[in-house]
Amino acid sequence: QQQVRQSPQSLTVWEGETAILNCSYENSAFDYFPWYQQFPGEGPALLISILSVSDKKEDGRFTIFFNKREKKLSLHIADSQPGDSATYFCAASSSSGSWQLIFGSGTQLTVMP
Amino acid sequence: NAGVIQTPRHKVTGKGQEATLWCEPISGHSAVFWYRQTIVQGLEFLTYFRNQAPIDDSGMPKERFSAQMPNQSHSTLKIQSTQPQDSAVYLCASSQTSNTGQLYFGEGSKLTVL
Repeated sequence: QQQVRQSPQSLTVWEGETAILNCSYENSAFDYFPWYQQFPGEGPALLISILSVSDKKEDGRFTIFFNKREKKLSLHIADSQPGDSATYFCAASSSSGSWQLIFGSGTQLTVMP
Repeated sequence: NAGVIQTPRHKVTGKGQEATLWCEPISGHSAVFWYRQTIVQGLEFLTYFRNQAPIDDSGMPKERFSAQMPNQSHSTLKIQSTQPQDSAVYLCASSQTSNTGQLYFGEGSKLTVL
């Protein structure tokens, strides 16, 4: 049972375009949603996060849109750069549980110059 | 400011041998997490400690896997009688408190079981 789902599995965009990465979840108790960025040979690094009380979070070129009713969220990367090429993981946790982070399967983003 | 340090970076063992992986969390962080990453299963939670005490080991295979945190500066993950299916990157992460998703990951220990 996959509690956090991501799509697409891989995505290719041109430099300067907006990349949109999708995530959905099943557990209504999830209330914290971080996105992690991972480069080959490195561990994941926190990119941006959102709490379920918000519907949008911006940090520079990165924006999370959150729809609690539909249990969906998306990460928008504006003005994509080749250096953004990485795997992006959506994750979720519940403040009422053990705070265990459940990760999605990831989206591999390639930004073509 | 050093991040999470994991050793060894690479380990190759023969089937049936024991493997021990080490993690040094960021100084001052009270929570330590272990994850396993494979292409097929993705990032799987194994276990976590808060203030050195085991809190949740629901992701740990019941046999052959064990984790300890003898002091605040390091944690170990031990796999006995390793099997080829144990091959993975084992990631350690720490956070300032356990009630946050802001985990700081190490670079991982890649275990290959022949």
